[in-house]
Amino acid sequence: DIQMTQSPSSVSASVGDRVTITCRASQGISSWLAWYQQKPGKAPKLLIYAASSLQSGVPSRFSGSGSGTDFTLTISSLQPEDFATYYCQQANSFPHTFGQGTKLEIK
Amino acid sequence: QVQLVESGGGVVQPGGSLRLSCAASGFTFSSYGMHWVRQAPGKGLEWVAFIRYDGSNKYYADSVKGRFTISRDNSKNTLYLQMNSLRAEDTAVYYCAKDRFPYSSGWDNWFDPWGQGTLVTVSS
Repeated sequence: DIQMTQSPSSVSASVGDRVTITCRASQGISSWLAWYQQKPGKAPKLLIYAASSLQSGVPSRFSGSGSGTDFTLTISSLQPEDFATYYCQQANSFPHTFGQGTKLEIK
Repeated sequence: QVQLVESGGGVVQPGGSLRLSCAASGFTFSSYGMHWVRQAPGKGLEWVAFIRYDGSNKYYADSVKGRFTISRDNSKNTLYLQMNSLRAEDTAVYYCAKDRFPYSSGWDNWFDPWGQGTLVTVSS
């Protein structure tokens, strides 16, 4: 199975800050990576797919990059509604696997 | 709009069985692969199972293989997860999720959208 490792596990930031979350795959997955946002008590929501494609309706302050084994999710200017937990997911092969999550908290 | 509504969760004893359902609307259900993903309380996401749009292929996580069965009824726009021999570690919120793109083999796709989830608690 492909292991996905996110860092950091948690991060504190302020409204307006730029935040970057990284995700590393245990083997190359080309661009078969997605990012999801999950708020407490809610289902996850797709933000980015194919490593850098923005899902329809997602604000442009979210961006993704990377290929192979190393990927990043960047939020250019944090808004109050962005404080949530973020997960990466690989779709290169079954079983689909997720990173352990990064909790983005208000400083 | 696309809507996925899970049902069937509840409390069950270890070794028991439960069948989850996911009612789909707002899209051509028979054109999309479907997944079950679970989340144990306070934990991360774990993919559970996938079924191809036509039901011809199914894949499972090792943790549920041989105990869980995914199926679908395209005439009823409904996805199912039959869970047998349940264990305490199966306790989780179970989400159904739709493939982002139609007619895929399953591994080369994304989960969008997700249902609201249904809680399964395995406890004596």
